[in-house]
Amino acid sequence: DARVTQTPRHKVTEMGQEVTMRCQPILGHNTVFWYRQTMMQGLELLAYFRNRAPLDDSGMPKDRFSAEMPDATLATLKIQPSEPRDSAVYFCASGLLGGVADTQYFGPGTRLTVL
Amino acid sequence: AQSVAQPEDQVNVAEGNPLTVKCTYSVSGNPYLFWYVQYPNRGLQFLLKYITGDNLVKGSYGFEAEFNKSQTSFHLKKPSALVSDSALYFCAVRDGGSGNTGKLIFGQGTTLQVKP
Repeated sequence: DARVTQTPRHKVTEMGQEVTMRCQPILGHNTVFWYRQTMMQGLELLAYFRNRAPLDDSGMPKDRFSAEMPDATLATLKIQPSEPRDSAVYFCASGLLGGVADTQYFGPGTRLTVL
Repeated sequence: AQSVAQPEDQVNVAEGNPLTVKCTYSVSGNPYLFWYVQYPNRGLQFLLKYITGDNLVKGSYGFEAEFNKSQTSFHLKKPSALVSDSALYFCAVRDGGSGNTGKLIFGQGTTLQVKP
């Protein structure tokens, strides 16, 4: 049963530290999304990639967040420097978009706490 | 602009009763509509989707949803609720028109509480 995997599942760090979250999309999927979920804002789209190329990162604070896909099996989301307001659950999702399936499948999330 | 509204923050229903979680949408082209469920401390799980065809879509765990174009709605339903259905439910939409990038717009979510 193919799944999106994310590491780490939990991360506690201090303000100012760099945080890197990783995602392994489902093999063969061509689109990867990064979301952030908080109680106040709900589910927000941060960035997404099609065939490893960034399509839209308008949801990301550009000064501290960066997203990359070094290869088809790895997507990363970095925060540098981290701030307490970045505390949230970060989800990665992948999909085979443009085809019949056309569905996003979510990973289990990384729960980030910035002290 | 695309948008999704889930008018109820919470829906309470007794086990065994039918449940409905409401969703309305706005897109400029043909809508692709989705329902996801999120259990505590878990990621979102895909339940069902409407792309084209029959207005009544059947999905996982006995859920179904009805696409109503005139009312721009896609309400989630289940004939008989289970306590284990208690979770957070998200409706999402994307414009199925050409040039679309696949970006989904999610509603704010509705918490479903099923009481024994």
